[in-house]
Amino acid sequence: NAGVTQTPKFQVLKTGQSMTLQCAQDMNHNSMYWYRQDPGMGLRLIYYSASEGTTDKGEVPNGYNVSRLNKREFSLRLESAAPSQTSVYFCASSPQGNYGYTFGSGTRLTVV
Amino acid sequence: DQQVKQNSPSLSVQEGRISILNCDYTNSMFDYFLWYKKYPAEGPTFLISISSIKDKNEDGRFTVFLNKSAKHLSLHIVPSQPGDSAVYFCAASAGETSGSRLTFGEGTQLTVNP
Repeated sequence: NAGVTQTPKFQVLKTGQSMTLQCAQDMNHNSMYWYRQDPGMGLRLIYYSASEGTTDKGEVPNGYNVSRLNKREFSLRLESAAPSQTSVYFCASSPQGNYGYTFGSGTRLTVV
Repeated sequence: DQQVKQNSPSLSVQEGRISILNCDYTNSMFDYFLWYKKYPAEGPTFLISISSIKDKNEDGRFTVFLNKSAKHLSLHIVPSQPGDSAVYFCAASAGETSGSRLTFGEGTQLTVNP
């Protein structure tokens, strides 16, 4: 089915470990986003890519890096995981200038 | 600084009655507003939106009202159904100045009891 695919769905990391969250969309959308969801804080934007070849910081970029590998793929990297990065991470995509985001099903990350 | 606030973490209503979910915003540059619905273990899905040039938008059982002077919007669900039980997020955008970026509220857990 068309949509946004995130991998992995679950991950447990030790403090200081690194990992990359993968996201791919097959809807030919120009814009892609990474959000984190924390209790009582809603969805907060980490990084976004308005179009292939560009990336920009969102509200909470510290501790993360991103790569827009091509039009389909947008990855999120944690270089040195911290317990404060325990969260549910959502990737989303949209046609450029359109707010009708399509979200992936999320990655639940626990850092111990 | 929470620019979009949903002050009610939860709401419980009876099946068939009206559900009213509220959202306040502080950024006067916001000009487009959306509601997303989220079931457990799934990503949010788009529900309904409204532009700042309107004060009401309807789609079936869902109506969104916007009061720009009060910087307040609300989502009405009539009649409520058990399948509407989910977390509802309010979101806003500042249009061209923000590209397609959305700022989300904290979410409200709606429970519709049979």
